[in-house]
Amino acid sequence: SAVISQKPSRDICQRGTSLTIQCQVDSQVTMMFWYRQQPGQSLTLIATANQGSEATYESGFVIDKFPISRPNLTFSTLTVSNMSPEDSSIYLCSAEEAGANVLTFGAGSRLTVL
Amino acid sequence: AQSVTQLGSHVSVSEGALVLLRCNYSSSVPPYLFWYVQYPNQGLQLLLKYTSAATLVKGINGFEAEFKKSETSFHLTKPSAHMSDAAEYFCAVSALGGGYNKLIFGAGTRLAVHP
Repeated sequence: SAVISQKPSRDICQRGTSLTIQCQVDSQVTMMFWYRQQPGQSLTLIATANQGSEATYESGFVIDKFPISRPNLTFSTLTVSNMSPEDSSIYLCSAEEAGANVLTFGAGSRLTVL
Repeated sequence: AQSVTQLGSHVSVSEGALVLLRCNYSSSVPPYLFWYVQYPNQGLQLLLKYTSAATLVKGINGFEAEFKKSETSFHLTKPSAHMSDAAEYFCAVSALGGGYNKLIFGAGTRLAVHP
């Protein structure tokens, strides 16, 4: 299965700043997704990263707050904009290889906003 | 809408004992169901999946799960717990209209294994 690398693995950020998380897959994948895992909670889908077009956001998430890029079939970025302490979470990138019927996840990026 | 309920946020077992983690789902269409495990400070790893084939699904590390439509359940079991099984376990269902790759996760169950 695909191997997904995320960076940074963790960061401490100041309120009001923005941070971009990178997700690199070691093979071409059809679908890429971004999830958020708030402290002590389960995973919530933020958006589907579409190659060559705008991301598709889930209810409660907007592009201005979480802009996403996907310039090719192996790479995506998620930016967390104008951060507040409520954005302190683990952000996970996931991907699905064509025909695999399963999602593979990166190790996550743990953000702490002070 | 699809949903998943995991009964018990924390489960504690002795090493060598049976592991049973409960998951019930709600779906208006035949579901795809998954169990993932998350070790501390790591991402999610797929344990097993049900995609409408055999109802008893075997996964990695000795885990298995049985799909029971009449009970809308997909409980995860392992006959004998090992210390290395201590982790967070998530049950997930594929979202309606999103295909099998758009998942809705349960709240998770933290498994502790003691000597």
